[in-house]
Amino acid sequence: TQLLEQSPQFLSIQEGENLTVYCNSSSVFSSLQWYRQEPGEGPVLLVTVVTGGEVKKLKRLTFQFGDARKDSSLHITAAQTGDTGLYLCAGWNNNDMRFGAGTRLTVKP
Amino acid sequence: NAGVMQNPRHLVRRRGQEARLRCSPMKGHSHVYWYRQLPEEGLKFMVYLQKENIIDESGMPKERFSAEFPKEGPSILRIQQVVRGDSAAYFCASSTQPRQGGYEQYFGPGTRLTVT
Repeated sequence: TQLLEQSPQFLSIQEGENLTVYCNSSSVFSSLQWYRQEPGEGPVLLVTVVTGGEVKKLKRLTFQFGDARKDSSLHITAAQTGDTGLYLCAGWNNNDMRFGAGTRLTVKP
Repeated sequence: NAGVMQNPRHLVRRRGQEARLRCSPMKGHSHVYWYRQLPEEGLKFMVYLQKENIIDESGMPKERFSAEFPKEGPSILRIQQVVRGDSAAYFCASSTQPRQGGYEQYFGPGTRLTVT
């Protein structure tokens, strides 16, 4: 079983639409990171959230860490074709880091 | 500043051969992590190393797989007597700090191993 559950698993939208993807767990994390991975490349770190309730913005991307530090969301405003990729969340728990299976986002022109 | 480097990017081996994957961490990083990724899946942790030490190999198969991070040179993930099920992308990541909550890992571009 996955320690981190990401949903949806696949998402296909039109350019300009908004979207939210989720990362959920029954475990409390000391911090959580979001990565984006493009085909044929390694994951690239987008953000780290540490404090419960924390919100971080990176241009059109908004990341939120749940109050209880068990879940996180990533919201993208006005998606662009360049946002296409696999979005992975990774959580720290007891000096152990584990990845979710990812949300595969396709933004169509 | 050079990022994490991995080579080769693509590796083809026949069943029964050995595969050696190399990872040079980012400058100033002394902690290395290896992950395996199957198509359409997330990353599975394999092993965590510091210079000359294996800290956690709980994710690595007990047989045929080994890893090292010598005092000089890159970290190496070695797979002996490869089987078709070993075909995957293998990613290396590095960090500056010991493995504690909150630090950030930086990933290399991966080595795609194909076993024929």
